[in-house]
Amino acid sequence: EMVMTQSPATLSVSPGERATLSCRASQSVSSNLAWYQQKPGQGPRLLIYGASTRATGIPTRFSGSGSGTEFTLTISSLQSEDSAVYYCQQYHNWPLTFGGGTKVEIK
Amino acid sequence: QLQLQESGPGLVKPSETLSLTCTVSGGSISSSYYYWGWIRQPPGKGLEWIGSIYYSGGTYYNPSLKSRVTISVDTSNNQFSLQLSSVTAADTAVYYCARPGRGGSYYDSWGQGTLVTVSS
Repeated sequence: EMVMTQSPATLSVSPGERATLSCRASQSVSSNLAWYQQKPGQGPRLLIYGASTRATGIPTRFSGSGSGTEFTLTISSLQSEDSAVYYCQQYHNWPLTFGGGTKVEIK
Repeated sequence: QLQLQESGPGLVKPSETLSLTCTVSGGSISSSYYYWGWIRQPPGKGLEWIGSIYYSGGTYYNPSLKSRVTISVDTSNNQFSLQLSSVTAADTAVYYCARPGRGGSYYDSWGQGTLVTVSS
């Protein structure tokens, strides 16, 4: 089973600043990596798939990069509405696995 | 616009079987090349994949739950279902059903989720 490790657990960033979130896989997942955003009381929303492709309707300030075992989600200019928990998920192999999440707070 | 809706009891007794159904509207389960999914989230915790099903009935399950999980599909009613047996308090969670994306088993559309509490 692939283990997905996200860091940091919590990230506090000022509005307008850049937020960088990391996700590491225990084995290569190629580019089969997705990122989700989850706000309190809501279900997850797909942000990125294929490691770097934005999902429909996702603002351009969200970008994904990486391949193999190291991945990054970047929010280029943090907005107040970006306060949420972010999860990565690999879909390279079964079983599907999620990272533990990074909580992004607005400083 | 595709929508998914989970339905089922919100309260299940310990040792009994949790049963949920996901009804898909605005699109066909049979139209996806990938596997529809069930994911859960215990209160205050992260996401856990439970299992996935293809429209023809093929399944994959989380190894940690495999002995207790059954996922089935009913294409005539555009639904897929989850059964989790011998539940305990640790199975208390919000349960989501989700549609796979066009490029693999990531999930691009989710139901609103339904809280299932295991308690006597």
